[in-house]
Amino acid sequence: DTEVTQTPKHLVMGMTNKKSLKCEQHMGHRAMYWYKQKAKKPPELMFVYSYEKLSINESVPSRFSPECPNSSLLNLHLHALQPEDSALYLCASSQDVIFVEQYFGPGTRLTVT
Amino acid sequence: KQEVTQIPAALSVPEGENLVLNCSFTDSAIYNLQWFRQDPGKGLTSLLLIQSSQREQTSGRLNASLDKSSGRSTLYIAASQPGDSATYLCALDTDKLIFGTGTRLQVFP
Repeated sequence: DTEVTQTPKHLVMGMTNKKSLKCEQHMGHRAMYWYKQKAKKPPELMFVYSYEKLSINESVPSRFSPECPNSSLLNLHLHALQPEDSALYLCASSQDVIFVEQYFGPGTRLTVT
Repeated sequence: KQEVTQIPAALSVPEGENLVLNCSFTDSAIYNLQWFRQDPGKGLTSLLLIQSSQREQTSGRLNASLDKSSGRSTLYIAASQPGDSATYLCALDTDKLIFGTGTRLQVFP
């Protein structure tokens, strides 16, 4: 099983809402990632978790809050977002942080109104 | 700062052609290089991973090469098919993945 799943597929939220994105993998990978992708642009790294600990935060605004409850799950909590935060949010996982292949989920299309 | 450029930005070809997609980078201090394809509005599918000590990898009709000294990688697609239509992204693994600008490929029947 080389699958990374993400829920929901689509999310529309207002600027005062609180919502969460969920990512799950059952490949025994110990590194998990959140990326943001705007239209016609490459993905940009947001956060990296290694062995359930946050190892990289790419200066992401605090309205995005990641959480890694266990080695299979990764959440991204959203609060007070702006319309410019509308994007495709991609989750990925890999066996370790470097030297290895990353596997991506299908993404969550987020629209902030 | 590592910069990754892909040429061409867009490509439209008839079915059956052999294709070369290019990826150039400025810093040769990489761990590996990964090629992905992305269908519109979808996630990324890993195609090939080349370790920094390797020079090429093959999978089916795809062949990717890596020349660290010249800062280049190429993705060769043999006998292209309409189903190959997608955006192709190269990504360099330093301490994190740095993605190239992408090549949008359209293969028409």
